[in-house]
Amino acid sequence: KNQVEQSPQSLIILEGKNCTLQCNYTVSPFSNLRWYKQDTGRGPVSLTIMTFSENTKSNGRYTATLDADTKQSSLHITASQLSDSASYICVVSGVHQTGANNLFFGTGTRLTVIP
Amino acid sequence: EAGVAQSPRYKIIEKRQSVAFWCNPISGHATLYWYQQILGQGPKLLIQFQNNGVVDDSQLPKDRFSAERLKGVDSTLKIQPAKLEDSAVYLCASSQRQGGKNSPLHFGNGTRLTVT
Repeated sequence: KNQVEQSPQSLIILEGKNCTLQCNYTVSPFSNLRWYKQDTGRGPVSLTIMTFSENTKSNGRYTATLDADTKQSSLHITASQLSDSASYICVVSGVHQTGANNLFFGTGTRLTVIP
Repeated sequence: EAGVAQSPRYKIIEKRQSVAFWCNPISGHATLYWYQQILGQGPKLLIQFQNNGVVDDSQLPKDRFSAERLKGVDSTLKIQPAKLEDSAVYLCASSQRQGGKNSPLHFGNGTRLTVT
């Protein structure tokens, strides 16, 4: 069964600290993996995308890693800011037998950065 | 570019009433999705359109939910009659293609539905 699991469910950190969010998936065949940031009351916004051949990608203070062998990804946030408070959702794209892409969503990690 | 537009932003109705949501995707985006997001959970796909054809509606409760995308542009999602468990945020998203590397989903800000 194609599934995406994220941990932790929620996280509280002090401003300026680093944190790492985890995403494990069982989606197969695999096409790509995206991390989305969802601010309260807003729709998710794409942060990074990773394909099978990519094992690390950065977007400012956000760095995503992918281990396609173990089917794990992480999102590392450096020097956290109050504006990083949001839900972070891992979305894995699988390849359907028709060739179309199916998207599988994790339940998200709720990050709260406190001053 | 203009983002995905959704309306209304909020809606409160009583159970058994009907409600409709509207979505205007990014211009040129062929694929349109409706998601239901219950508080504290990730989005759950309700229906996916490719142009004006339905690609996937396997998780749409068809006894009460309906959606259409006339002319392959705007879309409406309707619930009739609503139940208490329909309380959620309804997100519309669009993409140039279905889930490809260069086709991220662009989400609207959603409609928050409260059923009392």
